[in-house]
Amino acid sequence: GQNIDQPTEMTATEGAIVQINCTYQTSGFNGLFWYQQHAGEAPTFLSYNVLDGLEEKGRFSSFLSRSKGYSYLLLKELQMKDSASYLCAVSSTNAGKSTFGDGTTLTVKP
Amino acid sequence: GAVVSQHPSRVICKSGTSVKIECRSLDFQATTMFWYRQFPKQSLMLMATSNEGSKATYEQGVEKDKFLINHASLTLSTLTVTSAHPEDSSFYICSARKHPREGATDTQYFGPGTRLTVL
Repeated sequence: GQNIDQPTEMTATEGAIVQINCTYQTSGFNGLFWYQQHAGEAPTFLSYNVLDGLEEKGRFSSFLSRSKGYSYLLLKELQMKDSASYLCAVSSTNAGKSTFGDGTTLTVKP
Repeated sequence: GAVVSQHPSRVICKSGTSVKIECRSLDFQATTMFWYRQFPKQSLMLMATSNEGSKATYEQGVEKDKFLINHASLTLSTLTVTSAHPEDSSFYICSARKHPREGATDTQYFGPGTRLTVL
């Protein structure tokens, strides 16, 4: 099975930087995804890491350490619209299924 | 691009009726589609994996006779909730993964979701 842990809630200030951590335990690791989900909407893809290291994409960056079973999503220059739930998902070699964490609800305040 | 649509976006039905939800990949072929259910303030729970041309694989605890899945083509999968009850009210979301010949990765592209309310 897979266990995925991420903080339930985080609060940050507009313009600041926030880091959302995700730890996981899995057999047959095949990549880690980060998705953003606004209330009442479906998730949207943010990033995918399969090798160790940092992937940067604009204001968002994602890091992976496979040996530590650890990833983080880094959001820079926070905007009010970044208030959302951020889901960490781990893909396994078992039919390519992904298991989602419970999500981290980020609230950006002025 | 990788656009996935779902229809309907919202449905309200009476208890005991059946509801069909369609999931389409609009600009790519998808060998695999996934069906998730999400209750308020909870994460996505995988219900089943749908592969074109074969039977769906259901997760433990999901009744295959209640949630019928048909993956008729490389761009269409349907989920039918049979004899729906109020406890089936939820947000149903599908996702699709690209066919290998389209440069597939494990990235799942999500549809916009269908909100089902059973009265």
